[in-house]
Parts: sequence; structure tokens; C-alpha cells
Amino acid sequence: AQTVTQSQPEMSVQEAETVTLSCTYDTSESDYYLFWYKQPPSRQMILVIRQEAYKQQNATENRFSVNFQKAAKSFSLKISDSQLGDAAMYFCAYRSFGSARQLTFGSGTQLTVLP
Amino acid sequence: DVKVTQSSRYLVKRTGEKVFLECVQDMDHENMFWYRQDPGLGLRLIYFSYDVKMKEKGDIPEGYSVSREKKERFSLILESASTNQTSMYLCASSPPIDRVGNTIYFGEGSWLTVV
Repeated sequence: AQTVTQSQPEMSVQEAETVTLSCTYDTSESDYYLFWYKQPPSRQMILVIRQEAYKQQNATENRFSVNFQKAAKSFSLKISDSQLGDAAMYFCAYRSFGSARQLTFGSGTQLTVLP
Repeated sequence: DVKVTQSSRYLVKRTGEKVFLECVQDMDHENMFWYRQDPGLGLRLIYFSYDVKMKEKGDIPEGYSVSREKKERFSLILESASTNQTSMYLCASSPPIDRVGNTIYFGEGSWLTVV
């Protein structure tokens, strides 16, 4: 079974600074998807960024980018120019290509943005 | 935009009551999910459905059942609510695993308190 580990329960960053959230995973599969979801106080889970394992190029969405290291099974999220609205719980998630049900989440990192 | 709607945001139920949590999606997605979210544990899959009347147990199905009579609707049932089922419940949907994107879309969550 796949496991996803987020070793930082809490992080904080100064507004306009850059922060990196860590995620590692364990799998024996070669094809899979990785996601970062954001959950603000409203509790709505919002997709931040998605990475396909077969793509070597790191995904980028505006101020959000990932550092995907397939061999190391690492998938970190970098938030540049942090904004107050970025404050949320961030979840890393793994989805197996071979099984529609297989979406495994990490335990989450609570990000605080300081003004 | 994909819309996943959970009928109740906040519920308070008594121990032993039968509880229904309803979820509707408007994107004709084949896959639907029920997750439970608890602090420090991330999201855990309760049940998954990949078609009408089809379901699979997730990681923590004990004490729960589900119903999917129509493609757009997926219900979570607590036959006899207990205090350890006090939690946040998240419904989600997604297209089949082989489509480009593979994103799972979430509802806003239902807070259930069992007293």
C-alpha cells in the first residue's frame, strides 16, 4: 500500500516570502499522479497543483511550483510571494494510475502567513 | 466548474440515530468517494463507488454503508451513530482514471457531531 508523509505539521512564512512544504511517499508503482490540495478555514478542498509521474518537468501554477524527485519519492510544494490568502492546511496526495479508488493523503501541513 | 454539493454542513445527532449524509455532483462523474477527516490523520477513505449500484470498501468502512441509486448522488449512511463517528465528512467525485487530469473534486464537507 502507498503511504504519504508530511513531516511538517505546521509552518509559517512572512508575507511576500517563499516557503517550501515537504512531502514524501512510498510506492512500488511507476505510473501515478501527485497532488497538492489546499484547505482554507472554509474546509473546501481546492486543487493547487498536479504532477504526472511520467513527466520529468516540474509542474507550475502561477506562484506555486513543485520539486518532483521521482527516484527520491519526494514531492515538495514551493509557494513564492506568499499572500495572506495562502494561509490554509495543505495536503499532499498520491493517486495510483492502476486503481481509481487509490487516493492516499498525507496528514497535512498547517501554513500560517504572517503580515 | 465542477460542483459537488453536500446537503448538510452541520449536523448534531444522538447516539444510536440513523444518519444520512447526501452528496450530489453535476459533472456526470463515474467515481464518487466518501472521506472522513480527523485532526492529525488527514483524509481516510470510507467508501468508493465507480458506477451506479457499485461500491467498494475503503480503509475505514466499519459502522458505515453507502447507496448510489443514481449516477449523480452518493449517500453515506451511519446505521447507528456513535460518538467516535463525530468528524468532518467529505464527499468527492472524479472522472474515470484514464482521462486526462484525474483530478478529484471535493464538496464543502459536513460536520457531524454525535452526542
